[in-house]
Amino acid sequence: GNSVTQMEGPVTLSEEAFLTINCTYTATGYPSLFWYVQYPGEGLQLLLKATKADDKGSNKGFEATYRKETTSFHLEKGSVQVSDSAVYFCAPVRGATNKLIFGTGTLLAVQP
Amino acid sequence: DAGITQSPRYKITETGRQVTLMCHQTWSHSYMFWYRQDLGHGLRLIYYSAAADITDKGEVPDGYVVSRSKTENFPLTLESATRSQTSVYFCASSGSSSGRVDTQYFGPGTRLTVL
Repeated sequence: GNSVTQMEGPVTLSEEAFLTINCTYTATGYPSLFWYVQYPGEGLQLLLKATKADDKGSNKGFEATYRKETTSFHLEKGSVQVSDSAVYFCAPVRGATNKLIFGTGTLLAVQP
Repeated sequence: DAGITQSPRYKITETGRQVTLMCHQTWSHSYMFWYRQDLGHGLRLIYYSAAADITDKGEVPDGYVVSRSKTENFPLTLESATRSQTSVYFCASSGSSSGRVDTQYFGPGTRLTVL
């Protein structure tokens, strides 16, 4: 079945630094891929998604490209802000279902 | 209010008691999900439902019961709460577009403590 491996945190960066959070997955076929973000005390919300190979999802300055060759969907942002401090989850779809597989999440702490 | 809501937001109960967590969505989404979030485990799927009266087990269903008599509601019941069920519980919903996976929208969560 599908699975996901996500970069362990916490990741601590200074404001305006470049961010990469690695995510690799194993899957049958080419599942849709999602990044969710969880701000302190809140539920998860969609950050971006890609539904087919070579797609690039983007939102709020974050980007991730669906790389089928390396089965990866790394999250990047060129200049992080303190307000980006949150937990980030990579989530591929589980098989031919509407279910998502969540990694353990990566805590990002951005310092001013 | 539009969206997806959960109640209660916080609950403290004792071992052995029955507890029901409520989830309500206003989008008429077909799919609904229950997850638990624990340190070191990320989110794990407890149960999900593809439509009213259709439910199925997820990764960690033991000790939980669900029902879905109406599309908009998906209550989760702990029949006899145990300390290991202390967790934060999230409900989510999503639509379906010609079989393609749609975005899941999450509620704010219920923090449950079992003493």
